[in-house]
Amino acid sequence: DAKTTQPNSMESNEEEPVHLPCNHSTISGTDYIHWYRQLPSQGPEYVIHGLTSNVNNRMASLAIAEDRKSSTLILHRATLRDAAVYYCILRSGSGGGADGLTFGKGTHLIIQP
Amino acid sequence: DAMVIQNPRYQVTQFGKPVTLSCSQTLNHNVMYWYQQKSSQAPKLLFHYYDKDFNNEADTPDNFQSRRPNTSFCFLDIRSPGLGDAAMYLCATSRTPRTTNEKLFFGSGTQLSVL
Repeated sequence: DAKTTQPNSMESNEEEPVHLPCNHSTISGTDYIHWYRQLPSQGPEYVIHGLTSNVNNRMASLAIAEDRKSSTLILHRATLRDAAVYYCILRSGSGGGADGLTFGKGTHLIIQP
Repeated sequence: DAMVIQNPRYQVTQFGKPVTLSCSQTLNHNVMYWYQQKSSQAPKLLFHYYDKDFNNEADTPDNFQSRRPNTSFCFLDIRSPGLGDAAMYLCATSRTPRTTNEKLFFGSGTQLSVL
């Protein structure tokens, strides 16, 4: 699976929007961009995923660059409960991709009250 | 609610003493995964079952085994735990493997300590 690059950590204030970047310059045309997050002492949980178009759900929005070499996870109004490690993961569509998810180091999001 | 359940939440074992971690799911998913997550590291896939078909990752030590007696249950057996096996063990499920549009559902994990 193609590699992703994320900042090690980011800090934001409560009730403000948060933009979490992810670079994936070697993404292939059929790779989906997935985001998961892991709250302290919990298993990872699915946040959102997309292919080319921007996506919205109740948790977040995903903005995908036109060339697909980067994406941004947007939390519209961060709360203290959003403090977690956020993982940006590519899932290969080539048929030869790995089973399961291959996690990178992720971004540790800190929310200040 | 349908979910992935891991028991126990915390497990303590002794060096060299076999230990089994369990996972159950009510999602009726075909695939069950086991991940190992050491402190401050990302989860690492150990192996997975697609139905009864077992798939081991190339770098998973022989010390780790798994059993899936039915769709709902999957077990992780560590035959001779070493101090380096202390970690959070995560179970996850998905409907199908290698499907780019599928999402995985994770349990809360079992934190294993080795004394």
